[in-house]
Amino acid sequence: DTGVSQDPRHKITKRGQNVTFRCDPISEHNRLYWYRQTLGQGPEFLTYFQNEAQLEKSRLLSDRFSAERPKGSFSTLEIQRTEQGDSAMYLCASSSSARGREAFFGQGTRLTVV
Amino acid sequence: EDQVTQSPEALRLQEGESSSLNCSYTVSGLRGLFWYRQDPGKGPEFLFTLYSAGEEKEKERLKATLTKKESFLHITAPKPEDSATYLCAVQPLRIQGAQKLVFGQGTRLTINP
Repeated sequence: DTGVSQDPRHKITKRGQNVTFRCDPISEHNRLYWYRQTLGQGPEFLTYFQNEAQLEKSRLLSDRFSAERPKGSFSTLEIQRTEQGDSAMYLCASSSSARGREAFFGQGTRLTVV
Repeated sequence: EDQVTQSPEALRLQEGESSSLNCSYTVSGLRGLFWYRQDPGKGPEFLFTLYSAGEEKEKERLKATLTKKESFLHITAPKPEDSATYLCAVQPLRIQGAQKLVFGQGTRLTINP
């Protein structure tokens, strides 16, 4: 069990550019979540997958954000036409519907939009 | 609307000085309450899950308790390595939005040697 893996760990991009982040969940976990965290705040829910189906999306998730989980394994989060307000830590978590309800988080991707 | 409030925002203790962190929550129904620890620049690390009022969980110097309106994280004889931000989160009990966690803003704990 290698834990939840996120790539890249850090990303600096210019305003208006598109960025994509990847998350590899714990191998036996069928549930995957994306959260966003800004400095001094707790994580905020963005979206949730069970296997390959995207079952929930937060109202925070504008049309510029899209997430996928092809084949129910890894997931990607894409942000189009980035804005300075998108600067944050993007966290991925996974859990198993067959076990406890706890979600395990990755180390996050720190996005800075300049 | 589901809401979680943690207090204090920051707490500074001397090594060995026991204290408690508070997590107050408002949710229509509670599926579970979670405590996480987060070190700077890293993702949250799972500590405990509590499901019903009266439940308690312990791990080393930490003990979490739950009532119908709040949860406490008690830290006994803390060490400098316990310094971190402690996050509380609730999972609402309803079909729509059943899987997301709603987090508080965290308590930043510093233990001085």
